[in-house]
Amino acid sequence: QVQLKESGPGLVQPSQTLSLTCTVSGFSLTSNSVHWVRQPPGKGLEWMGGIWGDGSTDYNSALKSRLSISRDTSKSQVFLKMNSLQTDDTAIYFCTRSGNYGSSPFAYWGQGTLVTVSS
Amino acid sequence: DTVLTQSPALAVSPGERVSISCRASEGVNSYMHWYQQKPGQQPKLLIYKASNLASGVPARFSGSGSGTDFTLTIDPVEADDTATYFCQQSWNDPYTFGAGTKLELK
Repeated sequence: QVQLKESGPGLVQPSQTLSLTCTVSGFSLTSNSVHWVRQPPGKGLEWMGGIWGDGSTDYNSALKSRLSISRDTSKSQVFLKMNSLQTDDTAIYFCTRSGNYGSSPFAYWGQGTLVTVSS
Repeated sequence: DTVLTQSPALAVSPGERVSISCRASEGVNSYMHWYQQKPGQQPKLLIYKASNLASGVPARFSGSGSGTDFTLTIDPVEADDTATYFCQQSWNDPYTFGAGTKLELK
């Protein structure tokens, strides 16, 4: 069955870089897209960006200057890197699978990983 | 960005019908999706493309709308439906979510 699981550090210092990994199973990264969505504690959801089946990427313009999404298809992993973290980047970070066309919903979600930005 | 406006909270009794609205600041065609999120859990897709029921979702859930006005309806509401419901559009870049409607049962 389709599964996604996020992993990474729970604590990041201000101004540092966040690196997260999404390990997937049950589907191919070359036939689907994987996106990152974050949720500050007690707040709403924000789409950060995604990587499509052909390896191309899309980013939310609000984060584009700080964000990079990549993948390793041989390991079924998708990576998120975001630099210059601040306290308002504290959030639960989810990876989610969508179809391989631009208007698909987010049909499958990982459990999320909490990232706290603090010194 | 496309702003999606939802009412913040609703309270209903089990067995009743409830409608949750989502208004977009600009047209999104029919590319509006609905998610349910319970505390401590990831969002779960309920409805995609305005009116299509996601796999495994009870038929008590339904969706309608197009353009800028959309509605998620639960009929009848059950105790397990206590959750926050988010709408999300995938027509305009960037994809955006509503702030969520918290559904409480009386």
